[in-house]
Amino acid sequence: GENVEQHPSTLSVQEGDSAVIKCTYSDSASNYFPWYKQELGKGPQLIIDIRSNVGEKKDQRIAVTLNKTAKHFSLHITETQPEDSAVYFCAARNYQLIWGAGTKLIIKP
Amino acid sequence: KAGVTQTPRYLIKTRGQQVTLSCSPISGHRSVSWYQQTPGQGLQFLFEYFSETQRNKGNFPGRFSGRQFSNSRSEMNVSTLELGDSALYLCASSLAGDRINEQFFGPGTRLTVL
Repeated sequence: GENVEQHPSTLSVQEGDSAVIKCTYSDSASNYFPWYKQELGKGPQLIIDIRSNVGEKKDQRIAVTLNKTAKHFSLHITETQPEDSAVYFCAARNYQLIWGAGTKLIIKP
Repeated sequence: KAGVTQTPRYLIKTRGQQVTLSCSPISGHRSVSWYQQTPGQGLQFLFEYFSETQRNKGNFPGRFSGRQFSNSRSEMNVSTLELGDSALYLCASSLAGDRINEQFFGPGTRLTVL
């Protein structure tokens, strides 16, 4: 079946440094790629998304890049802050959202 | 505008019992999706309802079922509970349920099966 692979499963970075999370999808017909952030005790919340006709999108310290040929997309967080600590999920959608397994991002003070 | 609400927030059941979870979407949202979240498996799609009809279904056994009411509120039911059903069950709503619309998640119902 269709799947999304997400790496790494845990990422620890120094406060102020950048963090990069990568995902690979299998369904070449996927056309929507959201990233969600889940804080402890809460449901996931959309932080940024990208459609298949766009290669890159930025929103302040967060950016997402998409390589349709290679079928992978990445989340980039610059100037990380303590409040960025959370679990991040990528997903790819054709008829339904297929989710990555999540990345636990730890920001070290 | 109120967010997605799920009740109850926590539930403890024993093997063999059944359980019903409830989800109220954001006002005006017609699509409701259900997910199971476990530490090792991430988010697993259960099913999606749109205008009271099940539109998509994930790869779960028939013990998992759901329905949607005319006011878009949704329930999911799990019968003959197993230990492996212990998980966080998340509900997400979206405006029209097309392929692109953003999903808004509720806080989830934590189900523990003893």
